[in-house]
Amino acid sequence: KAGVTQTPRYLIKTRGQQVTLSCSPISGHRSVSWYQQTPGQGLQFLFEYFSETQRNKGNFPGRFSGRQFSNSRSEMNVSTLELGDSALYLCASSPSPGQSTDTQYFGPGTRLTVL
Amino acid sequence: GENVEQHPSTLSVQEGDSAVIKCTYSDSASNYFPWYKQELGKRPQLIIDIRSNVGEKKDQRIAVTLNKTAKHFSLHITETQPEDSAVYFCAASTFFSTGNQFYFGTGTSLTVIP
Repeated sequence: KAGVTQTPRYLIKTRGQQVTLSCSPISGHRSVSWYQQTPGQGLQFLFEYFSETQRNKGNFPGRFSGRQFSNSRSEMNVSTLELGDSALYLCASSPSPGQSTDTQYFGPGTRLTVL
Repeated sequence: GENVEQHPSTLSVQEGDSAVIKCTYSDSASNYFPWYKQELGKRPQLIIDIRSNVGEKKDQRIAVTLNKTAKHFSLHITETQPEDSAVYFCAASTFFSTGNQFYFGTGTSLTVIP
């Protein structure tokens, strides 16, 4: 099976702009989670989607939002970009709904730079 | 919520030596503990995982141990090789009725010196 894919791989934006990132999970996986990775903070959980519904949300401001489509593909949007939003954004998919032993598989990430 | 602490943040070992990375968690409801390896510029890759009904799991040079009572788990790499150099993340998974959520440690940068 093809792995998790993310587009674009690199983005450069300026403060105040908005950005949309895309994630396609492994075929058959229905849960998609998003993480922000920065050198000092490690992997910070943003949100998780399953069946087009956001099930869990991390501690990020409302500027960060997402959605999931019926084919399980997910998008993440960040509005009014700030310099501190520069990070690697990773998505991860897992196969089964709501089971605590699901394994997550990561995509390659989107490197966002805010100038 | 769950809190995962990981130590050390950096670790250097000589090639052939063993490396140990430790994580603690706070939520006794967590019952799945994966470890990821992230090489520079690449995605985190699952290298081993353990579930709460098991105390130890091995896969060639890699092993993970879990102590549920003390709420800590560790990654052991034996006979380290230069290609083991990477950042390693531990995680704990907590199941909610609305789905599961992973909590990650802050990572350990392992350098294997040839």
